[in-house]
Amino acid sequence: KNQVEQSPQSLIILEGKNCTLQCNYTVSPFSNLRWYKQDTGRGPVSLTIMTFSENTKSNGRYTATLDADTKQSSLHITASQLSDSASYICVVSAYQAGTALIFGKGTTLSVSS
Amino acid sequence: NAGVTQTPKFQVLKTGQSMTLQCAQDMNHNSMYWYRQDPGMGLRLIYYSASEGTTDKGEVPNGYNVSRLNKREFSLRLESAAPSQTSVYFCASSISIAGGNNEQFFGPGTRLTVL
Repeated sequence: KNQVEQSPQSLIILEGKNCTLQCNYTVSPFSNLRWYKQDTGRGPVSLTIMTFSENTKSNGRYTATLDADTKQSSLHITASQLSDSASYICVVSAYQAGTALIFGKGTTLSVSS
Repeated sequence: NAGVTQTPKFQVLKTGQSMTLQCAQDMNHNSMYWYRQDPGMGLRLIYYSASEGTTDKGEVPNGYNVSRLNKREFSLRLESAAPSQTSVYFCASSISIAGGNNEQFFGPGTRLTVL
């Protein structure tokens, strides 16, 4: 069964600190993996997309990594800011008929001053 | 460009009432989607439309119907609302449903409470 598991479920860090969010998936055949950021009361917004051949991709202070062999991805946030407080959702796409996006349940990050 | 817009933003219904959630996109996307988001459950796909004129069931279609009115608009109808349908509903669109063009752009959501 195609699944996406994220950890931790929630995380609290101090402003300025770094953090890493994890995503493990069992989706096959794999097409791509996206990280979305969802602010409270808003819809999700895509941060990065990674295909099978990509190991690392950055978007400002956000760096995503992908290990297709172990089926793991991480999202590293550097020098966190209060505005980083949000839910981060890992979404994996499979090659198959119809829409094939499998959503993780998200990690809720709280950045405090 | 407004992106993806949804109406209404908030709605309270009584059990058994019906209503239609409206969604429109101005990005000329082919594919559109309806999701519901419940605490601890993540986003779950209700229905999607790969292209104008087609609709398909997602993970949780029971109790819902959809209409792809044209390329821009995709509506979600609750015929007889139940408390279990209390949720936040998101509409999304993408260039296509497959490959690198499947980045989905989400609307702001509709917060629905069924009493």
